[in-house]
Amino acid sequence: EVQLVESGGGLVQPGGSLRLSCAASGFTFRTYAMHWVRQAPGKGLEYVSGISSNGGSTYYGNPVKGRFTISRDNSKNTLYLQMGSLRAEDMAVYYCARLTSDDAFDIWGQGTMVTVS
Amino acid sequence: QSVVTQPPSVSGAPGQRVTISCTGSSSNIGAGYDVHWYQQLPGTAPKLLIYANTDRPSGVPDRFSGSKSGTSASLAITGLQAEDEADYYCQSYDSSLSVWVFGGGTKLTVL
Repeated sequence: EVQLVESGGGLVQPGGSLRLSCAASGFTFRTYAMHWVRQAPGKGLEYVSGISSNGGSTYYGNPVKGRFTISRDNSKNTLYLQMGSLRAEDMAVYYCARLTSDDAFDIWGQGTMVTVS
Repeated sequence: QSVVTQPPSVSGAPGQRVTISCTGSSSNIGAGYDVHWYQQLPGTAPKLLIYANTDRPSGVPDRFSGSKSGTSASLAITGLQAEDEADYYCQSYDSSLSVWVFGGGTKLTVL
């Protein structure tokens, strides 16, 4: 079964740091670009960050540029999001998602909640 | 403020047809980038519903259809069912921002 499982969310103080992980299984992880999308409580989906299949290219939404760093370990089939200088507005459920060749997110994890307080 | 705009809410009675619009600009939908649609049921992760403007992933009923024209796209749902009540999001790519973008989302209420 194709699956993405996020972990690492939790409660962090403003200005703090947190690292999220996304474990992939059931597909050839190293051949797909992977991304993070977040959803604040009661709000819509917001693009956070993405990384190419080999890790050579990274992408960031304006709200997180300079504070978040995306990375991946293809030997461990795992995607990461290092979050720093966290703010109240970063509080959200963070989803990892697989990007298809059509630029659609076809597989999503169940999400991990990040609370900044 | 999303660069791709959707109506906040739509509603329809069971069996009816509803459409959800997704309006962008010349840097995203109008630039030729594909539009994709997601369904998010309460308390769950988004699910890909329509990709590449008009295509349905395996398992998605043909009651759901997508279209695109110019700087806009639409999702149509026919034969509305109670289980269709959810939030729907469109998504594309924006060349000015150089990132993938989502519409603000539309809450569908089945009356």
